[in-house]
Amino acid sequence: DAGVIQSPRHEVTEMGQEVTLRCKPISGHDYLFWYRQTMMRGLELLIYFNNNVPIDDSGMPEDRFSAKMPNASFSTLKIQPSEPRDSAVYFCASSLSLHTRTGQETQYFGPGTRLLVL
Amino acid sequence: GQNIDQPTEMTATEGAIVQINCTYQTSGFNGLFWYQQHAGEAPTFLSYNVLDGLEEKGRFSSFLSRSKGYSYLLLKELQMKDSASYLCAVRGSKAAGNKLTFGGGTRVLVKP
Repeated sequence: DAGVIQSPRHEVTEMGQEVTLRCKPISGHDYLFWYRQTMMRGLELLIYFNNNVPIDDSGMPEDRFSAKMPNASFSTLKIQPSEPRDSAVYFCASSLSLHTRTGQETQYFGPGTRLLVL
Repeated sequence: GQNIDQPTEMTATEGAIVQINCTYQTSGFNGLFWYQQHAGEAPTFLSYNVLDGLEEKGRFSSFLSRSKGYSYLLLKELQMKDSASYLCAVRGSKAAGNKLTFGGGTRVLVKP
């Protein structure tokens, strides 16, 4: 399996521009998670999906952030307009399940997108 | 909510043993995970504890005490490649969405 795939790996943009991050989860995984990692705040959950449906977006910082999952193999995280404080590493992760205690809820992370907003 | 504490940084010598502690206060508990993250890379899964006791996996072991809200990750026979950050993460209750909350990470530096 190729693992979780994210693109682009690096993104440099100017304040006010729209940024779109992409993620392909591991095939067969029903759950997809978007995280943001910064030195100050560590790794934070932004939103997660189950079977393409957004379940919890309480971590999304504000209305400038939106996420979609049009099908089981693709998700996007969009920031519009972007601001310098959005600079971070954005990780996508996926898991088989969420509610079991068998280890199927283990989340596997993609390589991340390093975003720099100037 | 969830509050997870772990030391910021630890230094150890190649071949030695290091223990990384993690304490948590949560409104619900459904398992504790340890992840390893090398600089500039993604977190990778190391271990999972849901019941009290020790889980051993090669050179790495993880311990959990739910009554004390405490876990540790034990790294034995340290190698230079073990230099990384180690993240403790707690999975909340079903009512809280079973979400993972991560600690700030412990940076381990292995010296020759």
